[in-house]
Amino acid sequence: NAGVTQTPKFQVLKTGQSMTLQCAQDMNHEYMSWYRQDPGMGLRLIHYSVGAGITDQGEVPNGYNVSRSTTEDFPLRLLSAAPSQTSVYFCASRQPGHVYGYTFGSGTRLTVV
Amino acid sequence: AQTVTQSQPEMSVQEAETVTLSCTYDTSESNYYLFWYKQPPSRQMILVIRQEAYKQQNATENRFSVNFQKAAKSFSLKISDSQLGDTAMYFCAFMKPFQGAQKLVFGQGTRLTINP
Repeated sequence: NAGVTQTPKFQVLKTGQSMTLQCAQDMNHEYMSWYRQDPGMGLRLIHYSVGAGITDQGEVPNGYNVSRSTTEDFPLRLLSAAPSQTSVYFCASRQPGHVYGYTFGSGTRLTVV
Repeated sequence: AQTVTQSQPEMSVQEAETVTLSCTYDTSESNYYLFWYKQPPSRQMILVIRQEAYKQQNATENRFSVNFQKAAKSFSLKISDSQLGDTAMYFCAFMKPFQGAQKLVFGQGTRLTINP
């Protein structure tokens, strides 16, 4: 059971470039989320989805797009990378009503230069 | 909106000692979940322990236990007989159940170092 798989694990972008961070889960979870982790600020919610075709904004959505065409996949797109988007990005999933909270991927460290 | 505060950015103890990490939160909800996540240098987020607000009994998982004070909105984590493998960032998190996307709200984290 792979759980939540994120790719790539590391990425360096130039300012203005675009890219997609991939997230896939094989647990048939309905809920999926993207968080970013910055020093001294914990993890902050970027976007989330409660099912295929349904997405919504979290706390820090600016500069990011998401889509959810299947239950398994929830990609995060950076439209025009900025140095402020240098961070570690986590994808997480859970089943509604499940009391054990979210299962996290191993994260993507993104550096924008 | 809910907020979670971890007031100890860093802590350091000797192996085999007991250590307590603090967490406070702010909410007007009466039913919710609280979690402690561990993030070792591998970066993986690992669930350590959870507490349901409607349960008065404090949760325990082997060497890990919590002191849940609902009226004070406090949720501290106690690690007994600390081990070198407990060295990690620890995050406290809050979640409202049964509403919307059940989003996690995290504290800023506490970096715990266990010294040999």
